[in-house]
Amino acid sequence: SSELTQDPAVSVALGQTVRITCQGDSLRSYYASWYQQKPGQAPVLVIYGKNNRPSGIPDRFSGSSSGNTASLTITGAQAEDEADYYCNSRDSSGNLVVFGGGTKLTVL
Amino acid sequence: QLQLQESGSGLVKPSQTLSLTCAVSGGSISSGGYSWSWIRQPPGKGLEWIGYIYHSGSTYYNPSLKSRVTISVDRSKNQFSLKLSSVTAADTAVYYCARGDGDYDRYYFDYWGQGTLVTVSS
Repeated sequence: SSELTQDPAVSVALGQTVRITCQGDSLRSYYASWYQQKPGQAPVLVIYGKNNRPSGIPDRFSGSSSGNTASLTITGAQAEDEADYYCNSRDSSGNLVVFGGGTKLTVL
Repeated sequence: QLQLQESGSGLVKPSQTLSLTCAVSGGSISSGGYSWSWIRQPPGKGLEWIGYIYHSGSTYYNPSLKSRVTISVDRSKNQFSLKLSSVTAADTAVYYCARGDGDYDRYYFDYWGQGTLVTVSS
């Protein structure tokens, strides 16, 4: 099995840069994907693969990976970026899926 | 534009079976390369992957739920379904269906349903 660990909460000043991290053994083999979830809404994919953004996702969102840690970086955070962020990947077996516990981002 | 829509009972009694269906529109559920997942989120908590079914019909389940879960597909109706047996209050959650995509080094959910709240209560 595999687990993904995220910090429960992170804050950033408006317009500044913030990095949200996700750690897990499976990330040595698989890229993490990242989702933004606002209250009462379904999650939205913001980053997948090495550093790919779906259509409509602002380019202030970027992803990176090193060893067992994946990172989501928001460069120039906006008020509308305040949300919960989740990472996911395959587990170490490659057949199952795991999610991180989520990070609540507050934009000050 | 692909769309997914969950439907099913919003209230289930303890020990009974939860049944949900996800209708897919704007694309075929039989398209190769994709998997079709169920994911849930208890109130105030994080996301939990329940399981998925591939276009081939192969299924994979979260080990913590495997003994109670069945995911199936109805290609004629372009929909897939979830059955979760012997439910308890701990199964109360918003249930999402989603399409999975990926490659040998990545896996992600690119389309999600809006979610449906299922409450387990007598």
